[in-house]
Amino acid sequence: QVTLRESGPALVKPTETLTLTCTVSGLSLGTIGSRVSWIRQPPGQALEWLAQIDWDDDKFYSTSLKTRLTISKDTSKNQVVLTMTNMDPVDTATYYCARMFVTGTTNWFDPWGPGTLVIVSS
Amino acid sequence: DIQMTQSPSSLSASVGDRVTITCRASQSITTYLNWYQRKPGKAPKLLIYSASTLQSGVPSRFSGSGSGTDFTLTISSLQPEDFATYYCQESYSPLYIFGQGTKVDIK
Repeated sequence: QVTLRESGPALVKPTETLTLTCTVSGLSLGTIGSRVSWIRQPPGQALEWLAQIDWDDDKFYSTSLKTRLTISKDTSKNQVVLTMTNMDPVDTATYYCARMFVTGTTNWFDPWGPGTLVIVSS
Repeated sequence: DIQMTQSPSSLSASVGDRVTITCRASQSITTYLNWYQRKPGKAPKLLIYSASTLQSGVPSRFSGSGSGTDFTLTISSLQPEDFATYYCQESYSPLYIFGQGTKVDIK
C-alpha cells in the first residue's frame, strides 16, 4: 500500500522560501514508473498542480510558477522535496503530494497525502 | 490553457437521493477526465478515471460518463459518507487542470 505524507512549516513570512517534504512509503522513488506530484489548494479556490518528479529524475513544472519552484528527491530517504521561493500571502494554501499513476496514454493522482496547510503572513 | 467548469458549485441533498455533478472542459479532452472526492481534513480520493472507469474499491453507486467536453459524475443513491466535495481533473494537458469543486451537503 502506497502512502504519502507532507511535512513542513505551517507559517512562513512574505519573501521567504518554503520547503516542503513528501515522505513516501510502499513505493520506492527509484522504481521505474514512480512519479510524484505536488498540488496545492488556496482557500476557496481550485486545486492547482505545481510540479512533478519521475523515477529517472525528469522534472516538470507549472508554467505559471516555474521560476519559483524546484522539485527534487532523495531516494535514500524516499522523500520528495519542493521549494518555492519568494512566498506571498496569495501562496497561502493546503499543499498536497500525490503519486501520479500512468497507464497507456492516461494518468491520474492516486493516492494523495493528507495535505499540509501553509500560511504566508508577517 | 484548458478551463474546467463544474456545476453546481454546491448542492443540498438527502440520503437516498440521486445526485448528478457536471464538468465541462473548454476544449475536447476526449476521455482524459478524472473525478476525486475530498472530505475535510482527509486526503483527496480518486473515484473515477478515464471518464467512466471506477477505481478499485469505490462503491458502485458512483458512476461517470461523458467524452469530449461534457462529463457527469452520478451518485445513484447518496449515502451519509458521500457528503464531501467533488472535483474533476483533466489529464489531457500537462497542466492537469482541476475544476472548482462541487460541495455536496445534507439537506
